Amino acid sequence: QVQLQQSGPGLVKPSQTLSLTCAISGDSVSSSTAAWTWIRQSPSRGLEWLGRTYYRSKWYNDYAVSVKSRLTINPDTSKNQFSLQLISVTPEDTAVYYCARHEDRSGRAFDYWGQGTLVTVSS
Amino acid sequence: DIVMTQTPLSLSVTPGQPASISCKSSQSLLYSDGKTYLSWYLQKPGQSPQLLIYDVSSRFSGVPDRFSGGGSGTDFTLKISRVEAEDVGVYYCMQALHLPRTFGQGTKLEIK
Repeated sequence: QVQLQQSGPGLVKPSQTLSLTCAISGDSVSSSTAAWTWIRQSPSRGLEWLGRTYYRSKWYNDYAVSVKSRLTINPDTSKNQFSLQLISVTPEDTAVYYCARHEDRSGRAFDYWGQGTLVTVSS
Repeated sequence: DIVMTQTPLSLSVTPGQPASISCKSSQSLLYSDGKTYLSWYLQKPGQSPQLLIYDVSSRFSGVPDRFSGGGSGTDFTLKISRVEAEDVGVYYCMQALHLPRTFGQGTKLEIK
């Protein structure tokens, strides 16, 4: 059974960096059929795909255009986890952030999700 | 980006009665590998979304068979044959054909 456990602060000041981690159990961040993704949810934008990291003989990353200049997603093979770093945050980045696994064998669907982290951007 | 449009945005159903949700995509979700990358999720109150259906009609592990998905191209449907109290929440469709992945706006299911 795959489990994703999120950690990170729930309050970030404007202009600072939002950092979250997603620890994986039951699978490997280096899986050749999975991609490790960050999604956020807010009342104004609904469910919004932010980006992913995945390993197919080498590491790849993809990011949403809306956050591409500010977002970094990194794998950590030593701890079997992946992280999100979003720089220069504004109140518009306030949302519930989820990590999720996309599995090629399940139609690229997100079959496992983290518990979600409510991140508020406020001074 | 591919736009996903769901209807209705809300529905109220008597337990034991059927329910149906429509999802339309702004372009065909059929890929050259023959698969159609459309999935359905349920977000129960206070929880993370959970996968119900992938590849239009394949039920994910542990999903009751009262849930079924259908459709092709740009038009898709999620059906619940007999709604139960535990089915309350918001249902989302999602396309996984192109990046960025995009979701519908959600359909809220309530029990009468």
